[in-house]
Amino acid sequence: EIVLTQSPGTLSLSPGERATLSCRASQSVRSSSLAWYQQKPGQAPRLLIYAASSRATGIPDRFSGSGSGTDFTLTISSLEPEDFAVYYCQQYATLPRTFGQGTKVEIK
Amino acid sequence: EVQLVESGGGLVQPGGSLRLSCAASGFTFSDCWMTWVRQAPGKGLEWVANIKYDGTEKFYADSVKGRFTISRDNAKNSLYLQMDSLRAEDTAVYYCAKYAGGHDYWGQGTLVTISS
Repeated sequence: EIVLTQSPGTLSLSPGERATLSCRASQSVRSSSLAWYQQKPGQAPRLLIYAASSRATGIPDRFSGSGSGTDFTLTISSLEPEDFAVYYCQQYATLPRTFGQGTKVEIK
Repeated sequence: EVQLVESGGGLVQPGGSLRLSCAASGFTFSDCWMTWVRQAPGKGLEWVANIKYDGTEKFYADSVKGRFTISRDNAKNSLYLQMDSLRAEDTAVYYCAKYAGGHDYWGQGTLVTISS
């Protein structure tokens, strides 16, 4: 099983600042089969990024993903008020399809 | 517009059973792998099971293997999760999700509570 470790656990930032979220895998994620999701309280997750760096439909270009192998990053170039939420990474290269534990981006 | 609508959640005693349903619309359901993901109260996301577009392949998390069964009816555009021998640790919101290299659409979730 691939274990995904996200850091930091909580990120305290102000609107307009840049957010950098990390997702580290316990073994290489084949074909960069990694996705990022955003979840707000009481809502279902929303797909932001798939294949490590491809933005999902309708996702603003301030969201970008990068990385390969075991190290992946989600960057939000300039935080908007609606971006404060919890973010999860997920690998879909192997079974079971594991998620990271999440990073909460909160308003400073 | 893609829609996924879960139903069937509720309060069940430990050891009991429950069947969740997910009604899909707005896309060609029979072409898509589908997934169940759950989220315990205040916790992160946990992949539960997925099923191939034609139902011929099914995969489960170790935590539910032998107790849960994923199935689908492509004629009814519906996904199911039969949950047996339920435990307190199965308490969660259960989401169905469409898989397309990442899960691009999710339902709103249905709450399952296991308690005596």
